[in-house]
Amino acid sequence: DTAVSQTPKYLVTQMGNDKSIKCEQNLGHDTMYWYKQDSKKFLKIMFSYNNKELIINETVPNRFSPKSPDKAHLNLHINSLELGDSAVYFCASSPQIAGVVTQYFGPGTRLTVL
Amino acid sequence: AQKITQTQPGMFVQEKEAVTLDCTYDTSDQSYGLFWYKQPSSGEMIFLIYQGSYDEQNATEGRYSLNFQKARKSANLVISASQLGDSAMYFCAMRVRKGGATNKLIFGTGTLLAVQP
Repeated sequence: DTAVSQTPKYLVTQMGNDKSIKCEQNLGHDTMYWYKQDSKKFLKIMFSYNNKELIINETVPNRFSPKSPDKAHLNLHINSLELGDSAVYFCASSPQIAGVVTQYFGPGTRLTVL
Repeated sequence: AQKITQTQPGMFVQEKEAVTLDCTYDTSDQSYGLFWYKQPSSGEMIFLIYQGSYDEQNATEGRYSLNFQKARKSANLVISASQLGDSAMYFCAMRVRKGGATNKLIFGTGTLLAVQP
């Protein structure tokens, strides 16, 4: 069974559209994240949710809105897509414990905005 | 400022040889964690190894070991007996705390490793 899954794997859309990416984890973790990997492969955190509560928002434009219906799911909705939003978006999760907190990543969603 | 630096954009290694991927970090926190992830051409991010700042011994996981030198703020990844399947991008990351038990990872720019037969 896949630990962290994302759908879709590929997303091609036009500028101005609204799209969503879904993420689910079956690890029983309390914390989930969204990361963006740009064309130069640089990875940067966007959001983090802990038990459905937004904990981290790293100055991401308001067009990006994460939603966590329960602690196993964290979806990312993007409004009015722009060319610069083209990237690979990774979901990750980690246990809510101090000490060793490894983050486990999903397979990524490659978003292409035309 | 908290930062991860990987100075090697790309590296070659012969199959069956060992290779060291460099990583230096900057943080004023006393408690932090260092990770290495592998990203093959298929795109997924695979966790390889973790080192806590208070761990006295270097972490090892199979053919992977982390050469942790706290005074130098370095956390180099050593891959022994390289295999063709090790060809991938490797990212060093540091866990920084952001309130309570929630952590975020900051990543280096990655090193692209090519294993040659």
